[in-house]
Amino acid sequence: EAGVTQFPSHSVIEKGQTVTLRCDPISGHDNLYWYRRVMGKEIKFLLHFVKESKQDESGMPNNRFLAERTGGTYSTLKVQPAELEDSGVYFCASSPTWNTEAFFGQGTRLTVV
Amino acid sequence: GQNIDQPTEMTATEGAIVQINCTYQTSGFNGLFWYQQHAGEAPTFLSYNVLDGLEEKGRFSSFLSRSKGYSYLLLKELQMKDSASYLCAVRVLEAGTALIFGKGTTLSVSS
Repeated sequence: EAGVTQFPSHSVIEKGQTVTLRCDPISGHDNLYWYRRVMGKEIKFLLHFVKESKQDESGMPNNRFLAERTGGTYSTLKVQPAELEDSGVYFCASSPTWNTEAFFGQGTRLTVV
Repeated sequence: GQNIDQPTEMTATEGAIVQINCTYQTSGFNGLFWYQQHAGEAPTFLSYNVLDGLEEKGRFSSFLSRSKGYSYLLLKELQMKDSASYLCAVRVLEAGTALIFGKGTTLSVSS
């Protein structure tokens, strides 16, 4: 069974540019989460989808971040325009139900220069 | 606020036993998770505790005391491949369904 896959694994962009991260959850997992780890800090929650609906987006830092999950399958996280402080590792995770363990992808390392 | 504390680094030798502690102060509690993460890889689920007591799974065990806001991960018969970061995370329903993570403990196992 394929795990959670994220693309790209690395991205280096200039300040002011746009970047779109993609996450493919484990097939059949209705719950999809985005997390972020800024260097030296802990992993922090960004948002939670149940199928195509945003269940909780309380962790989204500001309106430069837009997450979508059209059709309830894969998800994208767009950062527009990117700022230096957006650099970090963006993790996606999925689970069959909200109260079971989440399976994480290996993350996308975003560097904004 | 929500706070989860764990040691930054630990070292141990092959074959030894190591205990990684995690303390939490959160507005609510609905389960504690331990994840293992090797550098550049995905965090991998190790254990889940929601009731007090010890959960054993092979060489790894996890303990929870809700009244003390305390958990530990016990690793026995350490192997070199156990060198990794160990993440403690708490689910706080009052904060939604998200996990709140500690900064992680980097464990180095030497021969």
